[in-house]
Amino acid sequence: GAVVSQHPSRVICKSGTSVKIECRSLDFQATTMFWYRQFPKKSLMLMATSNEGSKATYEQGVEKDKFLINHASLTLSTLTVTSAHPEDSSFYICSAPRGTGVSAFFGQGTRLTVV
Amino acid sequence: DAKTTQPPSMDCAEGRAANLPCNHSTISGNEYVYWYRQIHSQGPQYIIHGLKNNETNEMASLIITEDRKSSTLILPHATLRDTAVYYCIVRAGGTSYGKLTFGQGTILTVHP
Repeated sequence: GAVVSQHPSRVICKSGTSVKIECRSLDFQATTMFWYRQFPKKSLMLMATSNEGSKATYEQGVEKDKFLINHASLTLSTLTVTSAHPEDSSFYICSAPRGTGVSAFFGQGTRLTVV
Repeated sequence: DAKTTQPPSMDCAEGRAANLPCNHSTISGNEYVYWYRQIHSQGPQYIIHGLKNNETNEMASLIITEDRKSSTLILPHATLRDTAVYYCIVRAGGTSYGKLTFGQGTILTVHP
């Protein structure tokens, strides 16, 4: 079964509104989680690293004031797309490394459509 | 992390082995080769990884050349459910397992 869960899987919002996406590790604690964005027919691009108890680290070119990340607990990270515009429409995916495991587990992704 | 090169697309008949190549000629000694796949509209799924020895698990086999400059992912008996984008990723040991640099990958289409 899934070990990293994202919610919602799909969301449609109006331009100018904010949308929150949740990423949960289901049976393990994750002090670090990662957020990716994927445009149609493109590869995944890392947006930011979410750190429990401290500020997120953003990749170059990603607006931190637009993509707010909060890592409130050891099992939950949230990504809020503020003042969304149609160009923010994308597939957002989170991941979390599991303990001393050797791989990352990914959420099922959130399809955001801004109209 | 080292750059990887993969063919953009491949086809395979159902029940046959699918051999997906990856070139990583600039790989460093401490970098691992990882394979993930992404089925349409889902998050990526870990398949297998290796450093220099060949590896096998319940999903696939990974063959790494002796000079480590290339590798091949083998799905021994491809099914229609294996149709996906396959990503070959090189990642340095000691860095976070979750911080991955994805290339364009190979679109594998398995035909009946």
